[in-house]
Amino acid sequence: DVKVTQSSRYLVKRTGEKVFLECVQDMDHENMFWYRQDPGLGLRLIYFSYDVKMKEKGDIPEGYSVSREKKERFSLILESASTNQTSMYLCASSSRKTGTYGYTFGSGTRLTVV
Amino acid sequence: SQQGEEDPQALSIQEGENATMNCSYKTSINNLQWYRQNSGRGLVHLILIRSNEREKHSGRLRVTLDTSKKSSSLLITASRAADTASYFCATDASRGGAGSYQLTFGKGTKLSVIP
Repeated sequence: DVKVTQSSRYLVKRTGEKVFLECVQDMDHENMFWYRQDPGLGLRLIYFSYDVKMKEKGDIPEGYSVSREKKERFSLILESASTNQTSMYLCASSSRKTGTYGYTFGSGTRLTVV
Repeated sequence: SQQGEEDPQALSIQEGENATMNCSYKTSINNLQWYRQNSGRGLVHLILIRSNEREKHSGRLRVTLDTSKKSSSLLITASRAADTASYFCATDASRGGAGSYQLTFGKGTKLSVIP
């Protein structure tokens, strides 16, 4: 069963901490995405990557960075966590062969910054 | 940037009834997709309709697309309690290049199916 795995389901971090959210996919997908989901705001794209070592800013990149050293892994980094980054974070991947057809999502990481 | 907007925001129906959710969008698209999200989980892809298609079926799901009105609807027939979830439309308006392969999601419709 193909999947996208996010390393943590729940995470609690302190303000100012550096936070790493990890995402691994086993489908050999070229494209990977990080979204955050907040009530009333839906899903908003933070960063995406269409190849190893490549990254593109999404709609809300401020306060975040990403790393894609290997094709299967896409990491989201909160350089200095703040309370307004408390949210559900969703990772997704898709194949370049199929373009945007059918993103596969991970189960999400609910991050609380205190 | 928000592209799709679902309507209604919330919908409550009895088991066995049909559920209809609508999505409106702003720019021309290549395709429109519907996703489902169970509470606190990731999204699952349900169905895709291309811009040159008007209707598509998959099991109890029926999707329509009206590009002249920039709108789509998702119909779930004979709903079950297990259909309780949030449903999102997502649009592909990519124009090629590095910015491709992006979907833009709406805010979702929360469906409750009462047994």
